[in-house]
Amino acid sequence: QVTLKESGPALVKPAQALTLTCTFSGFSLSTNLMRVSWIRQSPGSAPEWLARIDWDGDKFYSPSLKSRLTVSKDPSKDQVVLTMTNMDSADTGTYFCARGSNNYVFDSWGQGTLVSVSS
Amino acid sequence: AIQLTQSPSSLSASVGDRVTISCRVSQGISIALAWYLQKPGKAPKLLMYDASILESGVPSRFSGSGSGTQFTLTISSLQPEDFATYYCQQFDSYPPTFGQGTRLEIK
Repeated sequence: QVTLKESGPALVKPAQALTLTCTFSGFSLSTNLMRVSWIRQSPGSAPEWLARIDWDGDKFYSPSLKSRLTVSKDPSKDQVVLTMTNMDSADTGTYFCARGSNNYVFDSWGQGTLVSVSS
Repeated sequence: AIQLTQSPSSLSASVGDRVTISCRVSQGISIALAWYLQKPGKAPKLLMYDASILESGVPSRFSGSGSGTQFTLTISSLQPEDFATYYCQQFDSYPPTFGQGTRLEIK
């Protein structure tokens, strides 16, 4: 059974950095063609893809947010970490991690973690 | 980035109804389209990919069609658990993008 779970702070201040961890089970990110993406959703809006890390270490970022994002993996812990710098109120929303075993098709999602940006 | 426009934005229907949701894509993507269902406070759930291939465990009352720039999701006979928001998503071009959603409500 594939599971993913996001963890991190519920509240960050403007201009601070956000670090989120995705802890997963039921698959290995070392397996060929496995990928984990981060996706966020502002209240009342559609999901927005942020970043992806692949089994071979390749990384991909949303062009509009690339300068603020870093994604990394810790295979020994089955975790993927997302860092987003210079947080702003517009970054408030729910952040999900999701498995992509088929390119950018997201077949399993975490429950999401709500992040608010406020002073 | 490729833009996806869903119609209608919201829809009221009754249990047992047949409903269709459309997704129009700003440029051709062959069949590289997925559909998701999302209930309030939950993560999206994959329904189908490659425009018409049902994810494992998804009931057969769901079907998808289309290619290029026009796609549809059809639910043949609405069940109570189907009332939710539906999103289409293209995965042909980087970055992947989602439609704005169609909210399906009980009439």
